[in-house]
Amino acid sequence: NAGVMQNPRHLVRRRGQEARLRCSPMKGHSHVYWYRQLPEEGLKFMVYLQKENIIDESGMPKERFSAEFPKEGPSILRIQQVVRGDSAAYFCASSPLRAGRETQYFGPGTRLLVL
Amino acid sequence: GENVEQHPSTLSVQEGDSAVIKCTYSDSASNYFPWYKQELGKRPQLIIDIRSNVGEKKDQRIAVTLNKTAKHFSLHITETQPEDSAVYFCAASMNAGGTSYGKLTFGQGTILTVHP
Repeated sequence: NAGVMQNPRHLVRRRGQEARLRCSPMKGHSHVYWYRQLPEEGLKFMVYLQKENIIDESGMPKERFSAEFPKEGPSILRIQQVVRGDSAAYFCASSPLRAGRETQYFGPGTRLLVL
Repeated sequence: GENVEQHPSTLSVQEGDSAVIKCTYSDSASNYFPWYKQELGKRPQLIIDIRSNVGEKKDQRIAVTLNKTAKHFSLHITETQPEDSAVYFCAASMNAGGTSYGKLTFGQGTILTVHP
């Protein structure tokens, strides 16, 4: 029973480039959440998606960041024109989110370094 | 929106002692409270959770208590071991509909060090 998968695990980009982070939820989970963890800080919610729908993007920066969860394939977090302040660990989590089954299981994260 | 405060930020104990980490939340609609353990460079891993219809839950050396009236919840680790050393995060979420459904709001984290 594979857990939440994320790739790449490490990503290095130069300022101005694009970063694409992928997340495959656990089997049977249709809810995906993205969180960002800055160095030595806690986790901050970014976006919550279901298949083909963005449910809550209140934690996403208004510019340069976008997310999708297509009908087929992984969820993608896209960061355009990266800046040094985007350097962080990006975790996705998935959940079946039914009554009594709210637990979110985290992937291993993608560590983005912007040079 | 929800705000979660966690204390202390660092906690140092001797092996075998107990450790207690406390969190308070602001939104009375929150009804699900998980605790995650994160080792350096690793993913957050759920260690225990509690729902608002329960006041206490225990799993071996780990227990969580919830006081809905005061809006605070605590993690208790007994008989600590060096392998308990990690960063612990509390979180709160509301699982009753609406766009914030399921979104976790995390505390700032507690660095627990257990000395042999």
